[in-house]
Amino acid sequence: AQSVTQLGSHVSVSEGALVLLRCNYSSSVPPYLFWYVQYPNQGLQLLLKYTSAATLVKGINGFEAEFKKSETSFHLTKPSAHMSDAAEYFCAVITKAAGNKLTFGGGTRVLVKP
Amino acid sequence: EPEVTQTPSHQVTQMGQEVILRCVPISNHLYFYWYRQILGQKVEFLVSFYNNEISEKSEIFDDQFSVERPDGSNFTLKIRSTKLEDSAMYFCASSEFGASTDTQYFGPGTRLTVL
Repeated sequence: AQSVTQLGSHVSVSEGALVLLRCNYSSSVPPYLFWYVQYPNQGLQLLLKYTSAATLVKGINGFEAEFKKSETSFHLTKPSAHMSDAAEYFCAVITKAAGNKLTFGGGTRVLVKP
Repeated sequence: EPEVTQTPSHQVTQMGQEVILRCVPISNHLYFYWYRQILGQKVEFLVSFYNNEISEKSEIFDDQFSVERPDGSNFTLKIRSTKLEDSAMYFCASSEFGASTDTQYFGPGTRLTVL
């Protein structure tokens, strides 16, 4: 079975500060990992994904994530937060063994303070 | 940029009534999905659909639920007799193929409220 844990349901950062959102996964087979962002009244939008190529993945809006197999982690970072980064962020995992269904973490809501 | 659309954005219904949630996936995509998020809980998979058949379904997707692609553009989720616990945000998604590495593109969701 696959599962995802996101540490912290809410994160508050100052504008210009580092954004770090934590994601740990559990999977008995090689996983593919995704980060989605949801802005108010919008759908889930893909930020980036890891599909077993480079372990450091760059996404849209300056975000990146690093796959660390030894730590079973896929943390999302952005060096400098903007006000427009205020949203909810979801980490998700999929494996070939589990078919084509995404398993999501609980989400982390990011608040950016001026 | 192509996007997944869903209607209505908010549906209120009485317990026991049937509801149909509608989705228009991205036009060249072959795989379609429904997920839901009960308030305060995780987004959870309901069903995937390919070539006019259910490809996979979760334990949640019982006989009260059904999906259909009634024409070349729409993809629907029907709940036959709604329960209070069906209140949730329902997301439709589509992917070009069904590979695990494919990006699933999500719609904005339909908020279903069962009274």
